[in-house]
Amino acid sequence: EAAVTQSPRNKVAVTGGKVTLSCNQTNNHNNMYWYRQDTGHGLRLIHYSYGAGSTEKGDIPDGYKASRPSQENFSLILELATPSQTSVYFCASGDRGERLFFGHGTKLSVL
Amino acid sequence: AQSVTQPDARVTVSEGASLQLRCKYSYSGTPYLFWYVQYPRQGLQLLLKYYSGDPVVQGVNGFEAEFIKSNSSFHLRKASVHWSDSAVYFCASGTNAYKVIFGKGTHLHVLP
Repeated sequence: EAAVTQSPRNKVAVTGGKVTLSCNQTNNHNNMYWYRQDTGHGLRLIHYSYGAGSTEKGDIPDGYKASRPSQENFSLILELATPSQTSVYFCASGDRGERLFFGHGTKLSVL
Repeated sequence: AQSVTQPDARVTVSEGASLQLRCKYSYSGTPYLFWYVQYPRQGLQLLLKYYSGDPVVQGVNGFEAEFIKSNSSFHLRKASVHWSDSAVYFCASGTNAYKVIFGKGTHLHVLP
């Protein structure tokens, strides 16, 4: 079973602070994704990557940056966190056309 | 533009009844289509996927879905639901450009 590990599992941040969410996958998948899940909105795509060194904007990239330094790691960065970014964030990995494997999620609260 | 629409936010059915959860997609080409399920406080699990071939695809736990290109639909069905099927169901679409997006989800509540 493919493993996707997110850290931290829970995070409380202050408005204006910097937040980094990390994701690691051990199955050599080319593609990695960051989504946020909010009631009434389902999962919305923030950024994705199709390989080391690549990042692409998803549907709601504003206020977020992404970094893919290696095949295994994909980070989501909030340079200036805002309360509207309070959400549950999911990382996923997979190959094109195949199922995505999800991490357990990171619950972020921005106060 | 690529989009996925699940028109029903909540569906309630009685145990043993049949089920259909609706999904419509928008994409100029032929997308990869998926149904995932999310149980409380868990991540998403794949039920089934479709790209080509037989338009009716079978998934886990008795779920199936039918791809109807003329209607841009990929509805999920089950002949007889169980209380344990209560969960949130997401339809998703992927493209050759690697992008995978999800609908807003449908909360299924099965009455025992």
